[in-house]
Amino acid sequence: EVQLLESGGGLVHPGGSLRLSCAASGFTFSSYAIYWVRQAPGKGLEWVSDISAGGITFYADSVRGRFTTSRDNSKNTVYLQMNSLRAEDTAVYYCAKKRYTTSSGRRAGLDYWGQGTLVIASS
Amino acid sequence: DIQMTQSPSSLSAAVGDRVTISCQASQDISNHLDWYQQKPGKAPKPLIYGASNLETGVPSRFSGSGSGTDFTFTISGLQPEDIATYYCHQYDIVPSFGGGTKVEIK
Repeated sequence: EVQLLESGGGLVHPGGSLRLSCAASGFTFSSYAIYWVRQAPGKGLEWVSDISAGGITFYADSVRGRFTTSRDNSKNTVYLQMNSLRAEDTAVYYCAKKRYTTSSGRRAGLDYWGQGTLVIASS
Repeated sequence: DIQMTQSPSSLSAAVGDRVTISCQASQDISNHLDWYQQKPGKAPKPLIYGASNLETGVPSRFSGSGSGTDFTFTISGLQPEDIATYYCHQYDIVPSFGGGTKVEIK
């Protein structure tokens, strides 16, 4: 059974840092890209970042230069390092698995999501 | 970046009604579009992938169609358990989501 479990959320002052983790199981982790998607309170879904199986990263303009995504295939875990947090970064952060392997070359949506972790940037 | 215009933002329909939601992309995205259902406090659940393919285990009353820039999501016979917000998601190059459609029972 595929499972994704986020952790690391919490309350942080604006300007502070937080590191989220996404622990995966039930599939060949090293073959799949992983997304981070966030949802501000009462708002819609926003793509934040994704990392390919080989570790190539992509970022939304709103977080580029402040957030860093990485992965440790030996631990089946993806990380989202969030620095210089702003009030507008307050959201539930989800990690999600891409449907097809990176090596397939196929563009893909998301077939499994974690339950999310809440980040609140507030003084 | 590709913008996704989803409409309507909310709708109210009776049990058994046919419900249609649209997503329009600002440029051609082929069939690189999925639909998700999200209930309050829960993660999104995939329903349709590749514009028209039904996820395993999802009831057949849900369907998707379209290609290029115009896409449609349909519930053919709304059920009480379908009360949720629905999102389209394009992944052609830089990913983005539609604004969501909140579906309620009349």
